Amino acid sequence: QSVLTQPPSASATPGQRVTISCSGSSSNIGSNAINWYQQLPGTAPKLLIYSNNKRPSGVPDRFSGSKSGTSASLAITGLQSEDEGGYFCAAWDDSLNGWLFGGGTKLTVL
Amino acid sequence: QVQLVESGGGVVQPGWSLRLSCAASGFRFNDFAFHWVRQAPGKGLEWVALISYDGSNKYSDSVKGRFTVSRDDSKNIVYLHMNSLRPEDTALYYCARDRAYSGYEGSSNWGQGTLVTVSS
Repeated sequence: QSVLTQPPSASATPGQRVTISCSGSSSNIGSNAINWYQQLPGTAPKLLIYSNNKRPSGVPDRFSGSKSGTSASLAITGLQSEDEGGYFCAAWDDSLNGWLFGGGTKLTVL
Repeated sequence: QVQLVESGGGVVQPGWSLRLSCAASGFRFNDFAFHWVRQAPGKGLEWVALISYDGSNKYSDSVKGRFTVSRDDSKNIVYLHMNSLRPEDTALYYCARDRAYSGYEGSSNWGQGTLVTVSS
C-alpha cells in the first residue's frame, strides 16, 4: 500500500525529547531515502532532514533522523517553543512513480 | 540566495483552466528539477508534479491528464498548466526546487505558494 503513516499529533514540554514516526512499505521507505519537512504556522515547508539522517546547513543538531526497514523516525531533543508546528515525512514511491508525503504530525510544545 | 516566487492563482469555476508560474533566482536554474506540491486548507502536503532538468516529467494520479508541468530555461520559470479544474483542486500550490537535477532527491527550497480556489 502506497501511503506514509504518521501519528496526527505529538506533544512534550520544553527541554524534553520527542520522536515522530513514519511508517511506509517496501516500495517507498523500504527502497528509497526519506526526507523530513517542518512547517511552522503560516509558513512554507522547510527541509529539515534529507537522505534519512542528513541535516541541511542551518538546521540545529537537535533534529535527527533515522530509518530502519520500512519505517523512519524524526527525533527532536531540547524541545523549544518555536518547534511547535507540523512535521511531514516524504519518500519516492517506486510503485506510484511519484513522491509520497505522510499525513503530517502536529507537534505541540506544552 | 535561492528564491522561488509563485503567481497565477485565483478563483475559478469548475472545468476552467489556470496557469501557475514559478520564477526562480539565486542559482543555476538549468541544473535542477522542480516540483509542484499543494496543500488544501487545513490539510497536509500532496505532491502534484515534477519536471527534471531535461524537461521529463511525472504526475500524481490525481492530476494526470489534466495538469501539465513545463519549464522555460531562458526565463528561469516553471509553469503548471491546470485544465478541467475540480473543487478538490482547491489548495495553496507551492513550487519547490529539488536538491538535484533528476527530481528524485526531494524538495529543498520552497516558495510561499499561490492560492487556487475552484468554486461555482
